[in-house]
Amino acid sequence: QQPVQSPQAVILREGEDAVINCSSSKALYSVHWYRQKHGEAPIFLMILLKGGEQKGHDKISASFNEKKQQSSLYLTASQLSYSGTYFCGTDLQGAQKLVFGQGTRLTINP
Amino acid sequence: DADVTQTPRNRITKTGKRIMLECSQTKGHDRMYWYRQDPGLGLRLIYYSFDVKDINKGEISDGYSVSRQAQAKFSLSLESAIPNQTALYFCATSDPQGEAYEQYFGPGTRLTVT
Repeated sequence: QQPVQSPQAVILREGEDAVINCSSSKALYSVHWYRQKHGEAPIFLMILLKGGEQKGHDKISASFNEKKQQSSLYLTASQLSYSGTYFCGTDLQGAQKLVFGQGTRLTINP
Repeated sequence: DADVTQTPRNRITKTGKRIMLECSQTKGHDRMYWYRQDPGLGLRLIYYSFDVKDINKGEISDGYSVSRQAQAKFSLSLESAIPNQTALYFCATSDPQGEAYEQYFGPGTRLTVT
């Protein structure tokens, strides 16, 4: 079952914050976040394992609510380089097999 | 040099033709994957392989087959291409060591079936 991401698209000005959500109908072992620039391969951002931990680096962080089967990606003080499509990938059993959401297109304008 | 390479990068073919997309990696990873990407649908898993002798179907394997020739090589074949197989195809690898794995994607192959 494909996880559902929201919103589908968001447009921000540089310096504004964004939140991207990922919801699953099934219990999750881990949630992975990737970013893809137009015409390029997806690049790994971070993984969150079950246990409800929050992770982050630079101004991008994420949380994982195991009970609600949801994860959120937070982009703080967005930069132009943050533009792209963000995907969450869910792993149900720790089997290293991901099911990706449909993606959220983030546009950052100057 | 890129760690995960795909050939060809672009391919236009006709309905009914058999084609092969190739993926090679120098990362030494055992696990390899084939995805297709369509606008608005995200990345969908076609096949995956956890080692040379282990091949598994993904979400959308119908119309596709794969071959794992070696640890470093994983090929995707379309036996008889059809227009709705027009998509961007990605190969990826991952390292099974530990829980916090990431998948490394190749640059993609853009396939058009006319």
